[in-house]
Amino acid sequence: ETGVTQTPRHLVMGMTNKKSLKCEQHLGHNAMYWYKQSAKKPLELMFVYSLEERVENNSVPSRFSPECPNSSHLFLHLHTLQPEDSALYLCASSQDGWIGGDTEAFFGQGTRLTVV
Amino acid sequence: GQQVMQIPQYQHVQEGEDFTTYCNSSTTLSNIQWYKQRPGGHPVFLIQLVKSGEVKKQKRLTFQFGEAKKNSSLHITATQTTDVGTYFCAGREWGANSGGSNYKLTFGKGTLLTVNP
Repeated sequence: ETGVTQTPRHLVMGMTNKKSLKCEQHLGHNAMYWYKQSAKKPLELMFVYSLEERVENNSVPSRFSPECPNSSHLFLHLHTLQPEDSALYLCASSQDGWIGGDTEAFFGQGTRLTVV
Repeated sequence: GQQVMQIPQYQHVQEGEDFTTYCNSSTTLSNIQWYKQRPGGHPVFLIQLVKSGEVKKQKRLTFQFGEAKKNSSLHITATQTTDVGTYFCAGREWGANSGGSNYKLTFGKGTLLTVNP
């Protein structure tokens, strides 16, 4: 248990469905991330939230919509996905600082998403 | 943008053999981190290197950060079956500032290590 909890662990959805992934951390971290991990690609950073403000959006398609209502929770809303969006979606958190204050990223166990 | 390249992509060894994975960044890094992901699991932090030329050891694992802070390596001595997994390096770009990039950990593709008992 890393202190970062993701639900659900597995999700199968049709291309017309709308679903949401949830991430929760109680580590007191100030930054949260969504990563996508496909079979043949490295960890791809999707979104970064720092102090509940989105600070990075890595050209992610609009069918992925993040939400960070508070520093402990992060959501990824999904709609009209494509089969190629099937992947492991990992949430992470860290305590980020300007200089020297960086800590490691703590990852959740991920949500295995299959789009049919 | 910053790129982090990691080689080899796969490595299969006999138990007891040594293993090394290399990480190279297209830009100078402020620090580099190493993670291990067991099959079916999630990445777990191993270590962070900050100083130029830094070497750190964790039992059979030796981590190095290059003098120019653009490359790093992880060496495992006498591999065991418990070492199986994917090893990722992740670097933070030096001089990153407000605007978000200070928060960006750029991961390499990882090296999948398999060990034959």
